[in-house]
Amino acid sequence: GQSLEQPSEVTAVEGAIVQINCTYQTSGFYGLSWYQQHDGGAPTFLSYNALDGLEETGRFSSFLSRSDSYGYLLLQELQMKDSASYFCATDNNAGNMLTFGGGTRLMVKP
Amino acid sequence: NAGVMQNPRHLVRRRGQEARLRCSPMKGHSHVYWYRQLPEEGLKFMVYLQKENIIDESGMPKERFSAEFPKEGPSILRIQQVVRGDSAAYFCASSPGQGSGELFFGEGSRLTVL
Repeated sequence: GQSLEQPSEVTAVEGAIVQINCTYQTSGFYGLSWYQQHDGGAPTFLSYNALDGLEETGRFSSFLSRSDSYGYLLLQELQMKDSASYFCATDNNAGNMLTFGGGTRLMVKP
Repeated sequence: NAGVMQNPRHLVRRRGQEARLRCSPMKGHSHVYWYRQLPEEGLKFMVYLQKENIIDESGMPKERFSAEFPKEGPSILRIQQVVRGDSAAYFCASSPGQGSGELFFGEGSRLTVL
């Protein structure tokens, strides 16, 4: 079986930095993805890590440690529009058949 | 370049009726995935299809649910004899199939069972 654990809620202020952690247990692992979903909207892809290390894309960065079965999403210079749910997801068959975590609801306050 | 198109966006059914949800993948994508989401919860994998083939349906209930992706036309998720517990948002996603970890999601179909 597969399971992913991430915090259910995180609150931060505008301009701050926030880190959303994700630990996973999976049989077979190809990579860790992160998605953003605003209330009622379509999930949108943020990043994908197949190898250990940090990937940076603008204000967002994602990290993976395969040996620790752990990753995180780092959001810098938080803006109000970053208030959303963030999901980590594992790809265990290289066919993009992703298993999602329960999501972390990020609330950004002024 | 049109994204993933799902319809209907909202569907209301009475218990015992059938629900049909349609999904047209992005142009050039031959892999389709269906996910279900309950309020305040994550996305639960249901089924993975390629043209005319079901690749993995391990997340789909054995009864009442079926999916297809014909050679021509959209992918269809069909729920027969709906029950109140089927009320959820059903998201379709597509990808070109390579292991990039990137799925392109539609806006979802929200099913309400009365």
